Amino acid sequence: GESVGLHLPTLSVQEGDNSIINCAYSNSASDYFIWYKQESGKGPQFIIDIRSNMDKRQGQRVTVLLNKTVKHLSLQIAATQPGDSAVYFCAENRMDSSYKLIFGSGTRLLVRP
Amino acid sequence: DAGVTQSPTHLIKTRGQQVTLRCSPKSGHDTVSWYQQALGQGPQFIFQYYEEEERQRGNFPDRFSGHQFPNYSSELNVNALLLGDSALYLCASSPGRGLRYGYTFGSGTRLTVV
Repeated sequence: GESVGLHLPTLSVQEGDNSIINCAYSNSASDYFIWYKQESGKGPQFIIDIRSNMDKRQGQRVTVLLNKTVKHLSLQIAATQPGDSAVYFCAENRMDSSYKLIFGSGTRLLVRP
Repeated sequence: DAGVTQSPTHLIKTRGQQVTLRCSPKSGHDTVSWYQQALGQGPQFIFQYYEEEERQRGNFPDRFSGHQFPNYSSELNVNALLLGDSALYLCASSPGRGLRYGYTFGSGTRLTVV
């Protein structure tokens, strides 16, 4: 079936520490993945994406890792800040169903001051 | 450069009524997708509109319908509202060549059915 799930529903980290949010996907045909951040009362905000021909991609303070062997991806946030507190979603896209994203249920990141 | 604009931001409807939600895409985008996000869950794809036609549809009943206008804006209509239709409805716009070239969400319309 279609599913993109997350291992941890809530993650609490100390300000300044690194955060790692994990996601598992079920369909090996998925070849494009996006991480989104959603703050209360707002729509999902694009963070970073990765295609299946890559294992790692870096942005500003964020890194996405893709392990196709075990169908797992992670989002690493360096030096986590209070403004990073939000719900994070991974989403997958497949070439055979290229017009939609399939989202997981999300992980809430809480940053302790 | 305006992003995706949705209206209204909030509304309350009674079970059995009909509702229309509106979306204006980001400048330069001609494709509009609609998602339903229940509380505490990830968004679920409803359908996508391109060139004024529904291009793909998710697993939603026919009570959910849409329309796209020549200026690329779009409407989502839901008939015979159920309590379970209470959710945040998100609109996302993208270029016609594909969502991998840019996919922008609006802030959503919070629909409450009582």
